[in-house]
Amino acid sequence: DVKVTQSSRYLVKRTGEKVFLECVQDMDHENMFWYRQDPGLGLRLIYFSYDVKMKEKGDIPEGYSVSREKKERFSLILESASTNQTSMYLCASSLTGLGYTFGSGTRLTVV
Amino acid sequence: RKEVEQDPGPFNVPEGATVAFNCTYSNSASQSFFWYRQDCRKEPKLLMSVYSSGNEDGRFTAQLNRASQYISLLIRDSKLSDSATYLCVVGRIYNQGGKLIFGQGTELSVKP
Repeated sequence: DVKVTQSSRYLVKRTGEKVFLECVQDMDHENMFWYRQDPGLGLRLIYFSYDVKMKEKGDIPEGYSVSREKKERFSLILESASTNQTSMYLCASSLTGLGYTFGSGTRLTVV
Repeated sequence: RKEVEQDPGPFNVPEGATVAFNCTYSNSASQSFFWYRQDCRKEPKLLMSVYSSGNEDGRFTAQLNRASQYISLLIRDSKLSDSATYLCVVGRIYNQGGKLIFGQGTELSVKP
């Protein structure tokens, strides 16, 4: 089974901090994705990547950046965390871009 | 307007009931269709793909109407363990990859 591992289950950060959310997959998938999930809004795509060093903006990239230096690792960066970035962050990977496997999520609270 | 729209519910049904979820999508370029299930405080997991011919997996039946851009999920003989949020999902391939667009989910609560 594909495993997608997110480094932290719960995270509390202060406003203005730089925050790194890490995601690692073990099945050599080309495609990796970062979503955030908020009540009433569902999952919204932040950034995705279809190859090493490649990245594409999703629907809500503002305030975020990403890094994909190695195929198995896709990092989401909050340059200066704000309270409106408090959310559940979900990483996913896929061979084709369609059949996703999700990580267990990181619940980030910015205070 | 959201690209994928679902009734958020909640749907509260007794055990053994049949329940139907509906979903519409706005982008006719969507190429693939899925239902995902998400348990409370867990990640979404693929429940089933949806094909134009309709498809069934045990108590679950999914239908797709491309002309109307409409997707449905029918759950028969519902169990307590079916309680979850059901996400309607459409997929598009472009560039060198693809991506999924999620509806906001329909919450189902099955009561004894």
